[in-house]
Amino acid sequence: QSALTQPRSVSGSPGQSVTISCTGTSSDVGANNYVSWYQQHPGKAPKFILNDVSKRPSGVPDRFSGSKSGNTASLTISGLQAEDEADYYCCSYAGSYTWVFGGGTKLTVL
Amino acid sequence: QVQLQESGPGLVKPSETLSLTCSVSGGSISSYYWSWIRQPPGKRLEWMGYFHYSGSTKYNPSLKSRITISVDTSRNQVSLRLTSVTAADTAVYFCARGTTTVVTPFHPWGQGTLVTVSS
Repeated sequence: QSALTQPRSVSGSPGQSVTISCTGTSSDVGANNYVSWYQQHPGKAPKFILNDVSKRPSGVPDRFSGSKSGNTASLTISGLQAEDEADYYCCSYAGSYTWVFGGGTKLTVL
Repeated sequence: QVQLQESGPGLVKPSETLSLTCSVSGGSISSYYWSWIRQPPGKRLEWMGYFHYSGSTKYNPSLKSRITISVDTSRNQVSLRLTSVTAADTAVYFCARGTTTVVTPFHPWGQGTLVTVSS
């Protein structure tokens, strides 16, 4: 069970948009829509921000959106704000009732 | 509002057993999926396994036969047991709830507890 591949870091200026990719295989990301995304600030527990590829829970701004194409899921954050600076992790169902996280991406707001 | 709180020893000796408890308040353990997720210092999250109220469990194959997740409904607690620990098991351990039908999304999470494996 290999970790999903995410860029180690991305950056953007306030107001800009950034996209974080999450690449898996046809056995995980490409096989289902059970892809979720989590935001983690330093020293804190992760926070759920997207489920089923693109569904936002209540309380998460619509600046956060998700999509998927083939074996790659993506998280897009538009209108970047300083408080968006955090680590972001994707997670996918990997078959056989197991789940796998991505390697994490550090977002820096310049 | 459901809240989760992990607790247990912060230091475990190599080859011994790590035991943690996740206390659930503001809601019942019944019907939900409960997972343990860990994060070695400075590294990525790793899903360890889940327990469903129906009694079904599934574990990360990388942990092989070392892991057991169980629940105590009378105490509203979810437990983690990891045997034969090594330094590689040093991590912050989180418990998280899923839904009644699917393991994810993981929400909410506990605040996490750091476990160091060292003699």
